[in-house]
Amino acid sequence: AQSVTQLGSHVSVSEGALVLLRCNYSSSVPPYLFWYVQYPNQGLQLLLKYTSAATLVKGINGFEAEFKKSETSFHLTKPSAHMSDAAEYFCAVVGSGNTGKLIFGQGTTLQVKP
Amino acid sequence: KAGVTQTPRYLIKTRGQQVTLSCSPISGHRSVSWYQQTPGQGLQFLFEYFSETQRNKGNFPGRFSGRQFSNSRSEMNVSTLELGDSALYLCASSLERGQETQYFGPGTRLLVL
Repeated sequence: AQSVTQLGSHVSVSEGALVLLRCNYSSSVPPYLFWYVQYPNQGLQLLLKYTSAATLVKGINGFEAEFKKSETSFHLTKPSAHMSDAAEYFCAVVGSGNTGKLIFGQGTTLQVKP
Repeated sequence: KAGVTQTPRYLIKTRGQQVTLSCSPISGHRSVSWYQQTPGQGLQFLFEYFSETQRNKGNFPGRFSGRQFSNSRSEMNVSTLELGDSALYLCASSLERGQETQYFGPGTRLLVL
């Protein structure tokens, strides 16, 4: 069965610093992986998606993620944090079979300090 | 294209009542999935609808039900509300089933008193 683990429920960085949000997955089949961001009182917005076309995936707002099969990881990074990046971030994997079920990690709240 | 819309955005109900939430997918999207988000349990899959048929169901009691109409719009219903049903209910739509990207609506925040 597929599962996702996000290491660190809270991450705090200074404005301009590197952002690294960790995600490890468990999947018996080649995974389709996603990162979503949620701002307060809003739904989820897609940041990026891994579909096996390339191991380094670029997303919106300067975010990117690298798929590492050997480490079963799909960490999200951004070179320079901005105050507007403060939000909750979710890593997700598609459930097995032809299903529309997304399995989410517990989420990581990113705090950006001035 | 307009995004996924959900109505109402906020609801307050009392225990024992029932509630119906509505979701309009992105035009052309045929699959709709529902999720419950709570601080304790995080994001949990409720069910998925495609071509007016429930294709997949999460681990929720039978009080939670849904349906999809021919225009792909979807509703979910919760009967006999409990305090623990207080949550943000998110709807997501995608073109097809499977590994398609899901696009989320703003959610309906339900408070059960």
